[in-house]
Amino acid sequence: AQTVTQSQPEMSVQEAETVTLSCTYDTSESDYYLFWYKQPPSRQMILVIRQEAYKQQNATENRFSVNFQKAAKSFSLKISDSQLGDAAMYFCALGGSQGNLIFGKGTKLSVKP
Amino acid sequence: EPEVTQTPSHQVTQMGQEVILRCVPISNHLYFYWYRQILGQKVEFLVSFYNNEISEKSEIFDDQFSVERPDGSNFTLKIRSTKLEDSAMYFCASSGRDLGAYEQYFGPGTRLTVT
Repeated sequence: AQTVTQSQPEMSVQEAETVTLSCTYDTSESDYYLFWYKQPPSRQMILVIRQEAYKQQNATENRFSVNFQKAAKSFSLKISDSQLGDAAMYFCALGGSQGNLIFGKGTKLSVKP
Repeated sequence: EPEVTQTPSHQVTQMGQEVILRCVPISNHLYFYWYRQILGQKVEFLVSFYNNEISEKSEIFDDQFSVERPDGSNFTLKIRSTKLEDSAMYFCASSGRDLGAYEQYFGPGTRLTVT
C-alpha cells in the first residue's frame, strides 16, 4: 500500500523567516512523483512544487524548494522568506501507480507578522 | 492561463436525492479525476477516467457514484441517492500527457451539503 505521512499538524513561522514542512511516504514503485499542494481558506488546491523520483536534483520554485531523500522516503518542503499569503494548509501527495494522488493529512501553516 | 472549472460552487440537497457535480477540465488534458475532502480531513481519491472509461476507483466509489464525459468537454460526477456522510468538498482534477500523467490541476471544488 502507498501511504503519505505528515507528522506536523500545525506549524508557525515569523514573516520573512524560513520554515520546513516534513513529509514521509511509502511506495513499492520505482518511478513516481511527489507533490506539495497548498490549500488556502478558499479550499482551492494549488500545486506548489513537483518532484520526479528519478531526478536526484531537488526541485525549486522561487521561494519554495524541496529536500528529497529517496532512500529515506522523505520529501520536505522549505519555504524561504515567508509571506502572510503563505498561510494555508499544505498537503504532501504521492503520485500513485494509476495516476491518482495519495495525500497526507496536511500541515496547517500560520505566518506571524 | 487555462484552468479547471467546477459548477456549482455550493450544492445543498436533501438526503436521498440525486446530485450531479460538473467539471470542465483543461481542454488538452486527457486524464480526469474526482477527489473528495470531508471537512477537516485529508483529500481522498475517488475515481480516475481516461479514454472514456474508468481507469481506477477507490473503495469509496461504490454503486451510488458514477462518472461521465457526456460531450467531450464536461466531466460529471453523479451521486444517485445522497447520504449525510456524502457532505464534503468535491474536487475535479485533470492532467495532460505532455505534463506528465501525474501532475494534476485542481478545480476550485464544489461544496456538497446533504441535509
